[in-house]
Amino acid sequence: RKEVEQDPGPFNVPEGATVAFNCTYSNSASQSFFWYRQDCRKEPKLLMSVYSSGNEDGRFTAQLNRASQYISLLIRDSKLSDSATYLCVADNYGQNFVFGPGTRLSVLP
Amino acid sequence: GAGVSQSPSNKVTEKGKDVELRCDPISGHTALYWYRQRLGQGLEFLIYFQGNSAPDKSGLPSDRFSAERTGESVSTLTIQRTQQEDSAVYLCASSLTFNEKLFFGSGTQLSVL
Repeated sequence: RKEVEQDPGPFNVPEGATVAFNCTYSNSASQSFFWYRQDCRKEPKLLMSVYSSGNEDGRFTAQLNRASQYISLLIRDSKLSDSATYLCVADNYGQNFVFGPGTRLSVLP
Repeated sequence: GAGVSQSPSNKVTEKGKDVELRCDPISGHTALYWYRQRLGQGLEFLIYFQGNSAPDKSGLPSDRFSAERTGESVSTLTIQRTQQEDSAVYLCASSLTFNEKLFFGSGTQLSVL
């Protein structure tokens, strides 16, 4: 079983749509969680950290459910510039950060 | 000001040659990570440093791969006797301390012919 799993995608949505990505992690001891975005042939860039209470940054909302070991990212009013691959990340406590395989999003005009 | 700097940005080498990849982390960041990303694939963990020591080398694919970090700053990833399957983007990231958010360099694209 992969340590971090994500919806495979791709997600093709029209501009203005709301889209949700899901992610599960296998290490119950994980403490730190993030969403990164990666544009084609570029390095990953931090989108947002994920906190237990849930957190919002503009059009983006992240949620964490520790009991289910599940993380989500919601994007509202999607823009063309949101097209990218979204990576879910969990720490493998005491070892390293594990990245999910990513979910590709294409926002269509 | 600086972000994470990696060099070279591109490296083309012949099979069997050794290569050295360099990473300059953000100043003051104590944790440094190396990942590999093959074309169309996800990020594969290689090694991380806390200070100058590497608590976790479990991701290094073979004994041809080694890494070191000096002065709690620059790190080098060395691949000996390169093989075609080593072709990938090698990404370095740093964080203020372990378990903090990662900041990535723009990577080194390695092509082994």
